[in-house]
Amino acid sequence: DQQVKQNSPSLSVQEGRISILNCDYTNSMFDYFLWYKKYPAEGPTFLISISSIKDKNEDGRFTVFLNKSAKHLSLHIVPSQPGDSAVYFCAASARNQFYFGTGTSLTVIP
Amino acid sequence: DGGITQSPKYLFRKEGQNVTLSCEQNLNHDAMYWYRQDPGQGLRLIYYSQIVNDFQKGDIAEGYSVSREKKESFPLTVTSAQKNPTAFYLCASSIGTETTQYFGPGTRLTVL
Repeated sequence: DQQVKQNSPSLSVQEGRISILNCDYTNSMFDYFLWYKKYPAEGPTFLISISSIKDKNEDGRFTVFLNKSAKHLSLHIVPSQPGDSAVYFCAASARNQFYFGTGTSLTVIP
Repeated sequence: DGGITQSPKYLFRKEGQNVTLSCEQNLNHDAMYWYRQDPGQGLRLIYYSQIVNDFQKGDIAEGYSVSREKKESFPLTVTSAQKNPTAFYLCASSIGTETTQYFGPGTRLTVL
């Protein structure tokens, strides 16, 4: 049972435009959400996080939005750069366990 | 230079052999984790440890075993009972179990 879902396996965006990656979850007990970026054959690297008491967190070009009523999380990257091309995983945490989505492969076209 | 390391990067084993994957961290983190990644799937938790000498099963613990004798080390043994051992294995650590996890570079295990 996939508690965290990323329904878009891939996304292509022109350089300079906004990339929006989406994530849905089913467990209302999740209270901490994260985005990780992963290059092939490497471990994921932490990108940005948000607590359930907030609805937005911003760090440079990256902004995460949380809509608790919709159980929806999104990551905005603006402006997108070719180096942003990678697989992005969202993750949610509750009671000592993290649950990861299946990932969205982002390609930023120069 | 603090970080989390996994070795080796690539590992090949014959079917029926047990194999142990190494994970070491010098971040002074209490919690450590093992995940498995397969194509088209999210990271799935195998085992996690909140503290030395303690560990808990994750969602897919069958066919795996771990130990946590030292804070810095959390080795994973893939036993012959694991039916589909070929995968990319990721180790992670965090200060506590509800804080951001930091991942190692991963080990790709191929069972021939």
